[in-house]
Amino acid sequence: AQSVAQPEDQVNVAEGNPLTVKCTYSVSGNPYLFWYVQYPNRGLQFLLKYITGDNLVKGSYGFEAEFNKSQTSFHLKKPSALVSDSALYFCAGNSGGYQKVTFGTGTKLQVIP
Amino acid sequence: GAGVSQSPSNKVTEKGKDVELRCDPISGHTALYWYRQSLGQGLEFLIYFQGNSAPDKSGLPSDRFSAERTGGSVSTLTIQRTQQEDSAVYLCASSLGGEPGRGYTFGSGTRLTVV
Repeated sequence: AQSVAQPEDQVNVAEGNPLTVKCTYSVSGNPYLFWYVQYPNRGLQFLLKYITGDNLVKGSYGFEAEFNKSQTSFHLKKPSALVSDSALYFCAGNSGGYQKVTFGTGTKLQVIP
Repeated sequence: GAGVSQSPSNKVTEKGKDVELRCDPISGHTALYWYRQSLGQGLEFLIYFQGNSAPDKSGLPSDRFSAERTGGSVSTLTIQRTQQEDSAVYLCASSLGGEPGRGYTFGSGTRLTVV
């Protein structure tokens, strides 16, 4: 069975500082990994995905994520946090094809002015 | 349509009543998912439709929950004899499915409140 874990319920970071939201996965075969963001009272929006190729994936709003096979991690990062980045972030993954995508439990990011 | 459409956006119902939630996926998307999100919580998988295959119902929390997808397009999630613990935002998502790493497009959700 596949699983995605987000070990932090909440991450607080000062505006302008780099941020990291952690995600680890357990997926058979080659994983396909995703990050989604949910702003308050809004639906989920796709941020970025890793399928194959470069381990560093760049996505929307200046976010990027680093795929690390040896650590089975796919942490979300941004060099300089904005207050407007405050939202709920979900990591997700599957093994491709018709396999259903499994979501993590979400991490609330709070960027402090 | 341009996006995934869900209706109604909000639904308040009395305990014990049945409700139907509707999802119109993006045209041509073969995969359709239902998730539930309780207040401030993560996403709970409910059911997954992929083309003409038998749906994956493994996430449905009880036999009060059922879902259909007619003609490979519109889906309806039905909750019978609603309970207060059913109160949540019900999210629908669709994707082209079958393509490696294809991300989802989510609808805005239906906020269900059982009083």
